[in-house]
Amino acid sequence: GENVEQHPSTLSVQEGDSAVIKCTYSDSASNYFPWYKQELGKGPQLIIDIRSNVGEKKDQRIAVTLNKTAKHFSLHITETQPEDSAVYFCAAPRDTGTASKLTFGTGTRLQVTL
Amino acid sequence: GAGVSQSPRYKVAKRGQDVALRCDPISGHVSLFWYQQALGQGPEFLTYFQNEAQLDKSGLPSDRFFAERPEGSVSTLKIQRTQQEDSAVYLCASSSAWEQYFGPGTRLTVT
Repeated sequence: GENVEQHPSTLSVQEGDSAVIKCTYSDSASNYFPWYKQELGKGPQLIIDIRSNVGEKKDQRIAVTLNKTAKHFSLHITETQPEDSAVYFCAAPRDTGTASKLTFGTGTRLQVTL
Repeated sequence: GAGVSQSPRYKVAKRGQDVALRCDPISGHVSLFWYQQALGQGPEFLTYFQNEAQLDKSGLPSDRFFAERPEGSVSTLKIQRTQQEDSAVYLCASSSAWEQYFGPGTRLTVT
């Protein structure tokens, strides 16, 4: 089955700086890579995702890049703000196709300081 | 629009009690997933429904865990004879295609 590794486990940046979180996956057949943001006491919130037919996707201050050859994908947050502070999880599907159960990374706790 | 809702949000059970956790998915979403999230960890897959059919229950940790979705909408996760190791947040997610949308979770504490 799929194995997803995520790092760093904690990341502290100053407001306005950029943050980068990286994940690697094991199954070369994986074709969908979502990122979730989880605030304390809440469920994971889907913030961006990418499919294997593209290398990069951007949505305002958030971008995700995918390198299928190296089997890694990254989340980039620019111009960080205090409200970006949360735990971020990457994920990859255990099976190909839609509606696939996800394997999650271990999470990155991002703290944006003033 | 309305997202995924779960109830109760918090549940305290004494060891040995049975509990039932409810999930109301986004209307029209065919797929429904249950995940378990231990403190400080990422969610772990438990089981998956497509409409009323339970297509995958490979993540259920023991036969004390049972899930159903009889009419293809609301789902219930039942845990019999709860143990301390069952303490976790139980998350429900629904999907109509690739994206999975999560509810707020039910925090179960077994004392």
